Amino acid sequence: QKEVEQDPGPLSVPEGAIVSLNCTYSNSAFQYFMWYRQYSRKGPELLMYTYSSGNKEDGRFTAQVDKSSKYISLFIRDSQPSDSATYLCAMIKLTGGGNKLTFGTGTQLKVEL
Amino acid sequence: DVKVTQSSRYLVKRTGEKVFLECVQDMDHENMFWYRQDPGLGLRLIYFSYDVKMKEKGDIPEGYSVSREKKERFSLILESASTNQTSMYLCASSFSGGRQGGTQYFGPGTRLTVL
Repeated sequence: QKEVEQDPGPLSVPEGAIVSLNCTYSNSAFQYFMWYRQYSRKGPELLMYTYSSGNKEDGRFTAQVDKSSKYISLFIRDSQPSDSATYLCAMIKLTGGGNKLTFGTGTQLKVEL
Repeated sequence: DVKVTQSSRYLVKRTGEKVFLECVQDMDHENMFWYRQDPGLGLRLIYFSYDVKMKEKGDIPEGYSVSREKKERFSLILESASTNQTSMYLCASSFSGGRQGGTQYFGPGTRLTVL
């Protein structure tokens, strides 16, 4: 079983929809959680990182962490065609894990006009 | 803004050639990483370095080596390129310890094709 599970999609939504992207994890030692956006043939770009359970908002993006359920989410409000990309969740255990990130496999999102 | 640059965006090499991929970061990060990314397999860690001249194997180090002579520069070397090393190669860097939560910043990637 993988430490981090992420539905690969593809997920197709109409422009303006609210998008929900999710990851589950099995190891409670993970402390920090990140979301990356990756456009085709480009490197991953950091969207947000968060530590504690709860919500963190940045513009149209909201990251949510539920450590008790080992579940993280990224919400995108008022989705745009420019949001079409692959979204990767990542997490890190700073104690005993060095500085290595554990990635989900990515969810492919397409926002259609 | 964090900047991680990679020496080439696209590279075509022949089987058996020695290949050098270079990565430079300008944020004084202690840690640097090399990944490859393949469809359906996600990001896989090849090697990482937490200090100058220090290196550690990742999940798939076979067929690769690395060099870190300066803090800002991390090189990936394919000693004898093979067709199964055709892939997207991504470099990343981060602070050590808990600074910024260990968040890694990625370069634009090098798409390597080995013929």
